Parts: sequence; structure tokens; C-alpha cells
Amino acid sequence: AQSVAQPEDQVNVAEGNPLTVKCTYSVSGNPYLFWYVQYPNRGLQFLLKYITGDNLVKGSYGFEAEFNKSQTSFHLKKPSALVSDSALYFCAVRDGQSGTYKYIFGTGTRLKVLA
Amino acid sequence: DTAVSQTPKYLVTQMGNDKSIKCEQNLGHDTMYWYKQDSKKFLKIMFSYNNKELIINETVPNRFSPKSPDKAHLNLHINSLELGDSAVYFCASSHGTSGTEQYFGPGTRLTVT
Repeated sequence: AQSVAQPEDQVNVAEGNPLTVKCTYSVSGNPYLFWYVQYPNRGLQFLLKYITGDNLVKGSYGFEAEFNKSQTSFHLKKPSALVSDSALYFCAVRDGQSGTYKYIFGTGTRLKVLA
Repeated sequence: DTAVSQTPKYLVTQMGNDKSIKCEQNLGHDTMYWYKQDSKKFLKIMFSYNNKELIINETVPNRFSPKSPDKAHLNLHINSLELGDSAVYFCASSHGTSGTEQYFGPGTRLTVT
């Protein structure tokens, strides 16, 4: 069965500092991995995805994520955090080979960027 | 220009009532989803349709019934509402079912009293 874990409920970082939001996954086949962001009272917005190819994926708003197959991780990163990055971040996974169409979402990590 | 829209945005109703939430997407996608987000922000898939065919039907009470009249619409009907149904319901759509990102609607906040 596929699963995804976001081990931190909340991450605090000072504005201008680098940020990392962690995600680990478990699938039996090849993973399709996604990051989404949710601002208060809004729907989720797609940030970036990894399907195949380069392990470093670049996405919207200066975010990037690194796929690490040996550690089964897909951590979200940004070199310099902005106060406006404060939001709820979700990692999602789908097993690319199982034939299931289901995307599993992590429990979310609240990012707080302090001015 | 709204890509995925949902109506209503807020729904307050009493236990035992029947209600519907509507979703429409103008992205030309062929796959649509319903998710439930609870008060702790956990997001769980409920249903998915691909080309009007049901492809995901999670373990939800059969009081919940989705209906897809065409590829651009996916509605959710809920019978005999219970307190535990209170949540935010999100509709989403994607192009195909394989490795594509989903586009989410703004959500419908359902409160059952």
C-alpha cells in the first residue's frame, strides 16, 4: 500500500533563511510525487512534481524539491523564505505502476516564516 | 476565468437533511475528484471519475453519492446529514489519471448542526 509521511506539524523559519519541509513516501512501484500549498480558506495549489528524470525539480514561487530514491524522500526547499510563504504544505504520492488512480496526501506541514 | 468552481461556498444545515454540492471545471480535464478535509486539515479522497466513469470509490458511507453528468461537472449529493459530515469538501480535476497534477476548487465548508 502506498503512504506518505510529513513528520513535522509545523516548521518555523526566519525570513531570508533557507527552508525545508520534509516528506517521505512508500510505494511498491515508481512514485509520482507532488507538493501543494494551501493558503487560509483556499483550495490547494500545485507547486511542483516529480515523475521521472532529474532528481532536483523546480517549481512555482522559487520552490524546489529533491527526489531521493534511497531515502524514499521528497523534501521541499527554498533558498530564501518570504513571510508570504507562510501556509500549509502538502506532499502527495501516487504509485505509478500499480494501476491505482489514487493520490495519497500527507497530513500537512504548517510553515511559519517570521519577519 | 475560474478553473474549478464549487457551489455553494458555505453550507449550514441541520442533521437529517439532504444537500448537494456542485463542481464545474473549464480546463478541459477528463478526471475529477472529491476530497474531504477535516478540522485537523487531513485530506482524504472520496471519489474520482474519469470520462464520467467512477474509478475511485473510497470507504465512505453510502449516504454520499457522486454524479457526473459530463466531463466538466461532478456533483456530490449527501443524504441524511450527520454531525460528523461537517468538513470542507474540495473538488479537483486533472488531465488524465497518470502523473498529472490536480487543480483544486475553493472548497465548500459544510456545517451540520
